[in-house]
Amino acid sequence: IAGITQAPTSQILAAGRRMTLRCTQDMRHNAMYWYRQDLGLGLRLIHYSNTAGTTGKGEVPDGYSVSRANTDDFPLTLASAVPSQTSVYFCASSSGGPEDTQYFGPGTRLTVL
Amino acid sequence: GQNIDQPTEMTATEGAIVQINCTYQTSGFNGLFWYQQHAGEAPTFLSYNVLDGLEEKGRFSSFLSRSKGYSYLLLKELQMKDSASYLCAALDSNYQLIWGAGTKLIIKP
Repeated sequence: IAGITQAPTSQILAAGRRMTLRCTQDMRHNAMYWYRQDLGLGLRLIHYSNTAGTTGKGEVPDGYSVSRANTDDFPLTLASAVPSQTSVYFCASSSGGPEDTQYFGPGTRLTVL
Repeated sequence: GQNIDQPTEMTATEGAIVQINCTYQTSGFNGLFWYQQHAGEAPTFLSYNVLDGLEEKGRFSSFLSRSKGYSYLLLKELQMKDSASYLCAALDSNYQLIWGAGTKLIIKP
């Protein structure tokens, strides 16, 4: 089934630990995005990639890193998790650029204690 | 700064019509999106407006006025399954999406 998958679905993490959230799409979309969604706030862009091999910083990149080694995968890494990174994380993709419809994965609920 | 304003919560009755407003202030403008998000799920695309006017898609319509920095989403013949959050997002001059916090729509029988 075409779409975006994310793993894990949820995770509880001790502060200071390293964590990688996985995102894979099978729609051959060029652009991919990582957002965080917090209660009362809009989706906030963490990092994005317009095409394989390139990445860029979004609105809230500090404490996060990404890589885009191929078209399908776009992992998000928290090098040393802090409680303020407790959030729901969504990965999304679009065929072209940000003016195209974004398709979202099911999300990862991360709790940092 | 850049800002999207939309009501936090609205309540409507099954079978009725509801209009969800969104005002935006962005550096430049390249279009406005509406997404639907059911509780605990991912956002899904509803509409995209870049020109002034009304676009209709079945029970849902979206309107844009670029001169007023204003959009609305109109939902007709409301069904219980329309209970969800509706997210407004504007594309700025750098083609970055600026998202509103969402409007939670509660449908009552």
